[in-house]
Amino acid sequence: DAGVTQSPTHLIKTRGQQVTLRCSPKSGHDTVSWYQQALGQGPQFIFQYYEEEERQRGNFPDRFSGHQFPNYSSELNVNALLLGDSALYLCASSLGGANVLTFGAGSRLTVL
Amino acid sequence: ILNVEQSPQSLHVQEGDSTNFTCSFPSSNFYALHWYRWETAKSPEALFVMTLNGDEKKKGRISATLNTKEGYSYLYIKGSQPEDSATYLCAQPAPIENAGNNRKLIWGLGTSLAVNP
Repeated sequence: DAGVTQSPTHLIKTRGQQVTLRCSPKSGHDTVSWYQQALGQGPQFIFQYYEEEERQRGNFPDRFSGHQFPNYSSELNVNALLLGDSALYLCASSLGGANVLTFGAGSRLTVL
Repeated sequence: ILNVEQSPQSLHVQEGDSTNFTCSFPSSNFYALHWYRWETAKSPEALFVMTLNGDEKKKGRISATLNTKEGYSYLYIKGSQPEDSATYLCAQPAPIENAGNNRKLIWGLGTSLAVNP
């Protein structure tokens, strides 16, 4: 039973570029949440997708957008990258939003 | 504003020591409390989801208690081992009325545990 898979694992972008991160949830899970973890911080909630809609959103600008597909997989898009967007981006899936999360290994984004 | 706070921020213990740390959260509109362990270079791993006041859960040498009336949970590790070294995070679903199951988790900053052999 595959857990949560994320791609790519590492990537380097320059300021102003756009990035797309991908997540496949654990089998049987219907909800995908995205988190940003900057160095020395706890995970910061970006948004949560359920039934292909954004259900909850954290305190992130509109440059951060997402999508959930009919097969429950999800993408996180960040436009106009800033240096401060450098972080580990974690995807977590669950059955329902408040239930125990299964995390992927994360995508490490470096913005130069 | 919902604040989930954890203490201490970091902890260094010797192998064999028992240790505990705290997660504090607002007690109003309580829904659940999650504990996760995050080892370096790995994904966060769920330890416990606790929902009832007075709940006590155990997983091997790790146990947790919950007091929803006063808004705290303790995580205990008995006889710490080097492999217990990790950051321990607690999180609470946002206390949103009528949100049902679609609530975001509010995370503490974690307690970083280092167990010296």
